[in-house]
Amino acid sequence: DVKVTQSSRYLVKRTGEKVFLECVQDMDHENMFWYRQDPGLGLRLIYFSYDVKMKEKGDIPEGYSVSREKKERFSLILESASTNQTSMYLCASRPINEKLFFGSGTQLSVL
Amino acid sequence: KQEVTQIPAALSVPEGENLVLNCSFTDSAIYNLQWFRQDPGKGLTSLLLIQSSQREQTSGRLNASLDKSSGRSTLYIAASQPGDSATYLCASDNSGYALNFGKGTSLLVTP
Repeated sequence: DVKVTQSSRYLVKRTGEKVFLECVQDMDHENMFWYRQDPGLGLRLIYFSYDVKMKEKGDIPEGYSVSREKKERFSLILESASTNQTSMYLCASRPINEKLFFGSGTQLSVL
Repeated sequence: KQEVTQIPAALSVPEGENLVLNCSFTDSAIYNLQWFRQDPGKGLTSLLLIQSSQREQTSGRLNASLDKSSGRSTLYIAASQPGDSATYLCASDNSGYALNFGKGTSLLVTP
């Protein structure tokens, strides 16, 4: 079975802190994604990566950056956390044109 | 930009009923369409993927159909059970990379 692992299930941070969310997949998938999910807004794509060191902006990249130094690992960085970044963050991976596999999510609270 | 709509937003049915969840999309130039299940506070689990050349896919009590020309997909759940209670999301793939998600239908199956 495909496994997408997010490093934290719950995270509480202070406004202005730099936050790292880590995601690792074990199936050698080319593509990895970061979404955030908010009530009433659904899933929104923040960034995705189609290869090592390659990244593409999604619908809401402002306030975020990403890093993909190794194929299996995709990190989401909140440069200076703000309260409006309180959300459920979901990492996913897939081969091109195949099923998308999600991690279990990180519920981030910024106080 | 692709818009994916799911109606109704919520549905409650008694156990044993057969039910249909609807998904519509505005751009019929899709590679595939996927259906996911999400339990509260958890990540998404892929249920079925229908390639653009296919009309339907089946897995156990689930059957998903795709009509590209009308921009519609349906997820049929036979003989519903309380364990089927969850949010069901559909997502279209227009690029081979990132998916466009609907906001989901929240299903409650009552004993």
